[in-house]
Amino acid sequence: DAGVIQSPRHEVTEMGQEVTLRCKPISGHDYLFWYRQTMMRGLELLIYFNNNVPIDDSGMPEDRFSAKMPNASFSTLKIQPSEPRDSAVYFCASSLRGVRGYTFGSGTRLTVV
Amino acid sequence: LAKTTQPISMDSYEGQEVNITCSHNNIATNDYITWYQQFPSQGPRFIIQGYKTKVTNEVASLFIPADRKSSTLSLPRVSLSDTAVYYCLVGDPAGGTSYGKLTFGQGTILTVHP
Repeated sequence: DAGVIQSPRHEVTEMGQEVTLRCKPISGHDYLFWYRQTMMRGLELLIYFNNNVPIDDSGMPEDRFSAKMPNASFSTLKIQPSEPRDSAVYFCASSLRGVRGYTFGSGTRLTVV
Repeated sequence: LAKTTQPISMDSYEGQEVNITCSHNNIATNDYITWYQQFPSQGPRFIIQGYKTKVTNEVASLFIPADRKSSTLSLPRVSLSDTAVYYCLVGDPAGGTSYGKLTFGQGTILTVHP
């Protein structure tokens, strides 16, 4: 298995633009998580899905952020409009209930200028 | 959710054994202890998970006392490549109410010197 695949690896965009981050979880995993990491706040859980259904989005900072999981093999995190304070590394992770740990992707480094 | 506390940073030298302790006084009956490792520019990577006593794998050992209020990650004979941030997390891997809300604290920055 190729692991959790995220794209793009790097994204630089101008303030006000829409940004879409993509994630392909490990096949067969039933949980998917979106995290954000910054130096100031560390790793923050934004939202997670179970069997493609959003379970808890209390970590999503604002209405500018939205996440979808249309099927078991794909999820997106969208920021519209983007702001400089959204600059961070965004990680996607997936897991299988009852089995050890989460598997993280390599992350998307987002820079909003 | 059980809160965890671990040292912010530790220093060691190549070849030494490193022990990182995590306290989790409010651990619940169904909770397991899981440790992750994160290198710069990478996502966290699962290292080891345990419930009680001792667990060992090819990378590390995890020691959990009987009261389970703390745990110790042991890295034998560290090398420069073990320099990373280590996170201790507590939660129910079977999908209980805490499963999806695992929070990563600040972690412990381990620096291994030549």
